[in-house]
Amino acid sequence: AAGVIQSPRHLIKEKRETATLKCYPIPRHDTVYWYQQGPGQDPQFLISFYEKMQSDKGSIPDRFSAQQFSDYHSELNMSSLELGDSALYFCASSFPGLGSNEQFFGPGTRLTVL
Amino acid sequence: AQSVTQLDSQVPVFEEAPVELRCNYSSSVSVYLFWYVQYPNQGLQLLLKYLSGSTLVKGINGFEAEFNKSQTSFHLRKPSVHISDTAEYFCAVSSYGNKLVFGAGTILRVKS
Repeated sequence: AAGVIQSPRHLIKEKRETATLKCYPIPRHDTVYWYQQGPGQDPQFLISFYEKMQSDKGSIPDRFSAQQFSDYHSELNMSSLELGDSALYFCASSFPGLGSNEQFFGPGTRLTVL
Repeated sequence: AQSVTQLDSQVPVFEEAPVELRCNYSSSVSVYLFWYVQYPNQGLQLLLKYLSGSTLVKGINGFEAEFNKSQTSFHLRKPSVHISDTAEYFCAVSSYGNKLVFGAGTILRVKS
């Protein structure tokens, strides 16, 4: 079965650089969530999109922005990177029409800021 | 607002022994409850979920959890663990269509 695809899997950037993380949800899933997991931390919700509109916002820095495109893939744009942005970034997708809120997670993008 | 408390940060256990990982939640609305497992340097895999109905939920790899509304708990159990169960386990809660709120995680260390 198709799963959530995230690219790239690993990314190394310097401080103050920008990064773009991509997420391709499971086909027919219309909702995408982004989570950030710092070292030794639990995943923290950043932002979500439903039908290409932002549906919820969590602890996402102003330096970050995200959007969902017409094909339902999503991109997380991160600017002025800081050392503290080093983390594992997960994307998850769901289809609320299934009657549950099960979110299917991608393998994550590991961002390292030097 | 919702929150999740995982009462143990680490649980060491010998192989073939039973294990229980504890999770309590708070929410002012009806919730869905989940347990995810994360192996080192990997993503999150769903173990099991409670949406409604029977309070005893069975998941993959022999794990099960029981939803207790009065105690607002959703403890994870396995009657006999294997070395391969060594991982970090996250309890999570959400309301319909909304974000997951995770607990701090419990590291299960299975010793031979």
